[in-house]
Amino acid sequence: GENVEQHPSTLSVQEGDSAVIKCTYSDSASNYFPWYKQELGKRPQLIIDIRSNVGEKKDQRIAVTLNKTAKHFSLHITETQPEDSAVYFCAAGARTNAGKSTFGDGTTLTVKP
Amino acid sequence: NAGVTQTPKFQVLKTGQSMTLQCAQDMNHEYMSWYRQDPGMGLRLIHYSVGAGITDQGEVPNGYNVSRSTTEDFPLRLLSAAPSQTSVYFCASSFSLGGGGSTEAFFGQGTRLTVV
Repeated sequence: GENVEQHPSTLSVQEGDSAVIKCTYSDSASNYFPWYKQELGKRPQLIIDIRSNVGEKKDQRIAVTLNKTAKHFSLHITETQPEDSAVYFCAAGARTNAGKSTFGDGTTLTVKP
Repeated sequence: NAGVTQTPKFQVLKTGQSMTLQCAQDMNHEYMSWYRQDPGMGLRLIHYSVGAGITDQGEVPNGYNVSRSTTEDFPLRLLSAAPSQTSVYFCASSFSLGGGGSTEAFFGQGTRLTVV
């Protein structure tokens, strides 16, 4: 089955700096790569996703890049704000069923004011 | 639209007891899943369903049963609770777009289960 590794497990940045979280996956058949943000005590919520036919996707301060050859994808957050502090999860799966994904172990991002 | 609703939000069980975690969605989504989340770990897939009457095992299915008699509901049953099942449980649903695609997964608010 699929195996997803996520690094780093914790990340602390100053407000305004950029944050980068990286994930690798093992199953070359995976073609859907979502990123979720989970605030303390709340449900995971999708912040951005990318499908395998695209190398990069951007949404305001958030971007995701995908390297299918190397089987890794990354989340980039620019101009970080304190409200970006949360746990971020990457996942990999099939675009035919987004609810059947394999998740990384999460990155706790802390943005210091 | 309520989205994905899970009940209860909190539950304490004694070892050996049984219970059912409820999950309902009102978005007419075909796909539904159950995940568990343990401290310091990501979400691990327990069971999933691609439609009424169809279920399959995920990564960690042992100790859990599911059924899908309607599109809206996907209950998760613990037949004999064990302390190792102490976790936060999330239900998720997504919509088939046809042509081999689906929408993102929408998560319920979670059920925090403690087995003592």
